[in-house]
Amino acid sequence: KQEVTQIPAALSVPEGENLVLNCSFTDSAIYNLQWFRQDPGKGLTSLLLIQSSQREQTSGRLNASLDKSSGRSTLYIAASQPGDSATYLCAAPRGEYGNKLVFGAGTILRVKS
Amino acid sequence: GAGVSQSPRYKVAKRGQDVALRCDPISGHVSLFWYQQALGQGPEFLTYFQNEAQLDKSGLPSDRFFAERPEGSVSTLKIQRTQQEDSAVYLCASSLAGGYLGEQYFGPGTRLTVT
Repeated sequence: KQEVTQIPAALSVPEGENLVLNCSFTDSAIYNLQWFRQDPGKGLTSLLLIQSSQREQTSGRLNASLDKSSGRSTLYIAASQPGDSATYLCAAPRGEYGNKLVFGAGTILRVKS
Repeated sequence: GAGVSQSPRYKVAKRGQDVALRCDPISGHVSLFWYQQALGQGPEFLTYFQNEAQLDKSGLPSDRFFAERPEGSVSTLKIQRTQQEDSAVYLCASSLAGGYLGEQYFGPGTRLTVT
């Protein structure tokens, strides 16, 4: 059974700081791992999808890494901005068809101006 | 292009009422997923369709929950005899490919409140 844990549960940082969000998973036999952003009252926006054959993916100020052997992924946000304030969720697929995303509870990020 | 859309965005139901939640996936997307998100938690899987076939319904919490996608595009999640514990945000997602190959794109969700 796949279990996904995110640390910390909440994080408050001043604008401009670099930060790291952590995600750990129990079943390392994953095909990929996906990071999402969720704004209050909104759906999920896909940020990065890392395939199991990759070690990292980058998009703008975001960089996500994946270490299957240790069951960990990190999301690095450079030069944080108040607009980055949101909940960040990681998810790993499981199931016969690899269709079920198992989510962590999320990290609530607040970037203070 | 249009993303995943869901309607209604908000629904208030009295306990015991039936509700129907609609999802319009991105055009051409093969796979469609429903998730339930309780307050302060990550989404939890409910069911999965590949085209019109419901391949996995293992996450549906009870037989009061029913989902369909008759023509392989629009999907409806129906909840019969709603209970207070059904209050949650119901999220729909779609992906171009099937299974683990597809990056999932989410709609804005329907917030269901059962009073």
